[in-house]
Amino acid sequence: NAGVTQTPKFRILKIGQSMTLQCTQDMNHNYMYWYRQDPGMGLKLIYYSVGAGITDKGEVPNGYNVSRSTTEDFPLRLELAAPSQTSVYFCAEGQGETQYFGPGTRLLVL
Amino acid sequence: KNEVEQSPQNLTAQEGEFITINCSYSVGISALHWLQQHPGGGIVSLFMLSSGKKKHGRLIATINIQEKHSSLHITASHPRDSAVYICAVRSGSSNYQLIWGAGTKLIIKP
Repeated sequence: NAGVTQTPKFRILKIGQSMTLQCTQDMNHNYMYWYRQDPGMGLKLIYYSVGAGITDKGEVPNGYNVSRSTTEDFPLRLELAAPSQTSVYFCAEGQGETQYFGPGTRLLVL
Repeated sequence: KNEVEQSPQNLTAQEGEFITINCSYSVGISALHWLQQHPGGGIVSLFMLSSGKKKHGRLIATINIQEKHSSLHITASHPRDSAVYICAVRSGSSNYQLIWGAGTKLIIKP
């Protein structure tokens, strides 16, 4: 039972490139989330999903897209990377009492 | 003004000291979470509170709904407690989304 896994752990992108951050959970929970954390700042919600086929925007969705074709997977897509998207990205799952977080993906856009 | 404010932003103490971290919020909430972010970046959920007090080992969390305030206490602090402690609230109007504080960076010196 690995909980929440994220890949890659670290990536450098050039401006304008695209990439997908992968997130997988094995706890069969419906609710999943993508956050970004800028240095010295709190987490900001990008997108969330309440179940397969259902996604919705969070606080800072611009520049990102998500999909939820299965309960397990919740990938985050950056289409045209910008320096402002340099951040650490956390995927989480859970509802009610606790959210379980993945280890994070550190993204640097140059 | 942020909806969730933590104080202090930074705290350095000696091993063994009693630690208090504060969280104030300005919205109606259904629950408040305390989380710990390790120096390596991993995020762990510590407590979820909707009233009163919870204790786990050397950690104690309290909440005063009327005053819109919560505190996290650490007794007999240890260098391994060094981390960023984050307060997040679940607003009364949302089942899914958390509003995050910026975190308190705690350093415990041996």
